[in-house]
Amino acid sequence: AQSVTQLGSHVSVSEGALVLLRCNYSSSVPPYLFWYVQYPNQGLQLLLKYTTGATLVKGINGFEAEFKKSETSFHLTKPSAHMSDAAEYFCAVKGSSNTGKLIFGQGTTLQVKP
Amino acid sequence: GAVVSQHPSWVICKSGTSVKIECRSLDFQATTMFWYRQFPKQSLMLMATSNEGSKATYEQGVEKDKFLINHASLTLSTLTVTSAHPEDSSFYICSARDQGQGNYGYTFGSGTRLTVV
Repeated sequence: AQSVTQLGSHVSVSEGALVLLRCNYSSSVPPYLFWYVQYPNQGLQLLLKYTTGATLVKGINGFEAEFKKSETSFHLTKPSAHMSDAAEYFCAVKGSSNTGKLIFGQGTTLQVKP
Repeated sequence: GAVVSQHPSWVICKSGTSVKIECRSLDFQATTMFWYRQFPKQSLMLMATSNEGSKATYEQGVEKDKFLINHASLTLSTLTVTSAHPEDSSFYICSARDQGQGNYGYTFGSGTRLTVV
C-alpha cells in the first residue's frame, strides 16, 4: 500500500527566503510522485512529477524536488520565495492499483511574509 | 496542455434537491476520471473512480446512491449529489487521467463549491 506524509501543516518563510516543504512516502512498488499547488477555491495545478530517470526534477515557477529512495523522500524546494507562492501544497503518490488513483498527503500551507 | 473543465464553479441549492456537477476533458480522452471531496483546510478525499462505459468504483464509506457518477463518454463524467443536505456542503474536484501521457498525466478541474441551505 502507498501513503504520503507531509511534515508540517504550516510553513512560514520571508519573501526571498528558501522554501522547503517536506514529503515522505511509503510504497511497495517504484513510486510515481507528484507535487501540486492549490490556490483558494481552485483546483490543483501540477508543479512537477517524478516517474523514472533523473532524481532531481525541475518544475514550474522555480520549484524543484529531489527523489531520494534511501530516505523515501520527495521534498519540494524553491531558492527564493515570492509572495505569489503563498498557497496550499500537496504531495501525492500514484497508487499501485489498476485504477491508478493518486494518494495525497495532508497538505502544507505556505505563508510568505513580506 | 491537457485541460479539464468543471462546471459549475459554485452552486447553492436547497436541502432535498439534487445537484449535478460536470467534468469535461477538453483536449484529450479520459477513460478514467476521479472525484474528490475537500473539506476546509484539509486534503482531498477520493470519493470514486469513474471509468468510461462502466460503473464507478466507490471508496469505502461513500454512499453510491447519494453520489451518483456517470461516465458516459470519453470526455464527460458527471457527479450528482442526490437529496442534498447541509452536511454535503463541500468543495468537489474532479481529475481526469490523460492516457496519452501514460501513467503520469492527471489533470484537475477547478472545483465546485457546493452549499446546501
